[in-house]
Amino acid sequence: GNSVTQMEGPVTLSEEAFLTINCTYTATGYPSLFWYVQYPGEGLQLLLKATKADDKGSNKGFEATYRKETTSFHLEKGSVQVSDSAVYFCALRGQRGSNYQLIWGAGTKLIIKP
Amino acid sequence: EAGVAQSPRYKIIEKRQSVAFWCNPISGHATLYWYQQILGQGPKLLIQFQNNGVVDDSQLPKDRFSAERLKGVDSTLKIQPAKLEDSAVYLCASSSGHGTGGGETQYFGPGTRLLVL
Repeated sequence: GNSVTQMEGPVTLSEEAFLTINCTYTATGYPSLFWYVQYPGEGLQLLLKATKADDKGSNKGFEATYRKETTSFHLEKGSVQVSDSAVYFCALRGQRGSNYQLIWGAGTKLIIKP
Repeated sequence: EAGVAQSPRYKIIEKRQSVAFWCNPISGHATLYWYQQILGQGPKLLIQFQNNGVVDDSQLPKDRFSAERLKGVDSTLKIQPAKLEDSAVYLCASSSGHGTGGGETQYFGPGTRLLVL
């Protein structure tokens, strides 16, 4: 079945550092891929998504590229801020005709120190 | 545009008691989801509605959990009787389509944090 694996946290960085949170997946066909973010005390918010191979999703300075050849969707940001501290979830959704459920990674907690 | 509303935000109960959660999705959204999120894990889908019909409840523990979406708008999720392992955050989400589009975005409420003692 479909699955998502993301790097364990917490990830602790200093402000203005470069961020990478790894996400790899297992799925048949061409799933859609998502990054959601959960700020302390808030609900999950869609950060970015990509629906086909080689697509790049971007939002708020974050980027992730859908790599079919490496089955990856790593999240990157060039310069993190304290306000980026949150839990980040990678997720996938199967294509039409397969399982439509969102399949989630376990989440990666990001801590940014000033 | 108002987001997904949930209540209560927090609930503490003793095991074997019952509890109910309420969700009001974004106006016009046909598809509604209930998830259970245990600490340190990603959300797990419990049930998916399209309008007032159930699309997927394969992971809902039907011996103790029930959910309804009367009139295809608000929804309630009930646990009766609760067990210790039900301690989790219960998330409600909604989406505008039929829930079958690969790239369709789900919008989440703030969640209800349940502690069963």
